[in-house]
Amino acid sequence: EVVMTQSPAALSVSPGERATLSCRASQSVSSNLAWFQQKPGQGPRLLIYSASSRATGIPARFSGSGSGTEFTLTISSLQSEDFAVYYCQQYNSWPITFGQGTRLDI
Amino acid sequence: DVQLLESGGGLVLPGGSLRLSCAASGFTFSNYAMTWVRQAPGKGLEWVSAISGPSDYIYYADSVKGRFTISRDNSEKTLYLQMNSLSAEDTAVYYCAKRSIEYGGHFDFWGQGTLVTVSS
Repeated sequence: EVVMTQSPAALSVSPGERATLSCRASQSVSSNLAWFQQKPGQGPRLLIYSASSRATGIPARFSGSGSGTEFTLTISSLQSEDFAVYYCQQYNSWPITFGQGTRLDI
Repeated sequence: DVQLLESGGGLVLPGGSLRLSCAASGFTFSNYAMTWVRQAPGKGLEWVSAISGPSDYIYYADSVKGRFTISRDNSEKTLYLQMNSLSAEDTAVYYCAKRSIEYGGHFDFWGQGTLVTVSS
């Protein structure tokens, strides 16, 4: 099983600042890596797939990078609606696994 | 627009069974793999099971293998999850999600979830 480790567990950032979230895989997942945003009481929303492709309707301030075992989600200028929990996920091999999440706080 | 609507959750006794449904609309259901993911209260996301478009490939997490059965009815555009021998550890919100291609891909759309509570 591929273990996904996210860091930090929580991050406090002010609106307008840049946030950088990290995700590490215990073995290579190639570029089969996605990022999701989840707000309280809602289902997750796809932000990034294939490590760096933005999903439909996702603002350009969200960007993803990396391949293999090291990945990064960057939010260039935080808006109030961006404060949420973010999960990375590998879909390269079974079982599909998620990171434990990073909570982004104001 | 893609819509996924889960139903069938509720309170069930330990050892009991429940069947979840996920009604899909806004896309050609049979052309895409589908999956179930769960989230225990206050916890992270856990993948549960996946099924290909034609139902010829099925996968389960070890935690549910032998107890849960995923299936789909492409004519009814509905995904199912039959859950047997439930325990408190299965208490969670269960989400269905659409995958981006017929035999896998990323999870591009999710439902709002249905809560399953296993308790006496």
